Amino acid sequence: EPEVTQTPSHQVTQMGQEVILRCVPISNHLYFYWYRQILGQKVEFLVSFYNNEISEKSEIFDDQFSVERPDGSNFTLKIRSTKLEDSAMYFCASSDQGATNEKLFFGSGTQLSVL
Amino acid sequence: LAKTTQPISMDSYEGQEVNITCSHNNIATNDYITWYQQFPSQGPRFIIQGYKTKVTNEVASLFIPADRKSSTLSLPRVSLSDTAVYYCLVGDEILTGGGNKLTFGTGTQLKVEL
Repeated sequence: EPEVTQTPSHQVTQMGQEVILRCVPISNHLYFYWYRQILGQKVEFLVSFYNNEISEKSEIFDDQFSVERPDGSNFTLKIRSTKLEDSAMYFCASSDQGATNEKLFFGSGTQLSVL
Repeated sequence: LAKTTQPISMDSYEGQEVNITCSHNNIATNDYITWYQQFPSQGPRFIIQGYKTKVTNEVASLFIPADRKSSTLSLPRVSLSDTAVYYCLVGDEILTGGGNKLTFGTGTQLKVEL
């Protein structure tokens, strides 16, 4: 089965530093997403991306966050100035058609620890 | 989106059948019922989806009664590797700009022991 791949698997950073989390979605998918999960909490939607622009973002996705598809294969999440509360597992996901009830394919995640 | 209610946790032993029931009283006519599985430190993984009656695949079965106000995920002969969190999702939100958004609840933590 095709996979969404994420790098790195773990990222440790100091508060205030910038981090970039990287994802390679499934090659023929058109819709891309970032979700996050704070330890012991729910998986939360951050942002969706289609046709080279954000289609929706949550309240969590403030000005410190940005996403980019720099080439035909990568999809990145940047946090400009990390805060302690940004520590979480970040999951990238992709889907094919963005249709109703379509399944999403998730990567294995990047565990971000902000010290 | 329909609110879902499922048990917080369940315990089982290897080789047993496990049934996890999800309540979704205000399911909408067009909503499908979808189950995802999440292992520790991994992303959620699609297991099965259905609209009504019964759906079966190589991993699980999904039973949906006629009123669709609940659904039951059935895992036959579980093994230790089935220890995971199982999420019941009903419907999704189609985004105006494209894509669809899933809303995850707390899920059911299934623990399988020897």
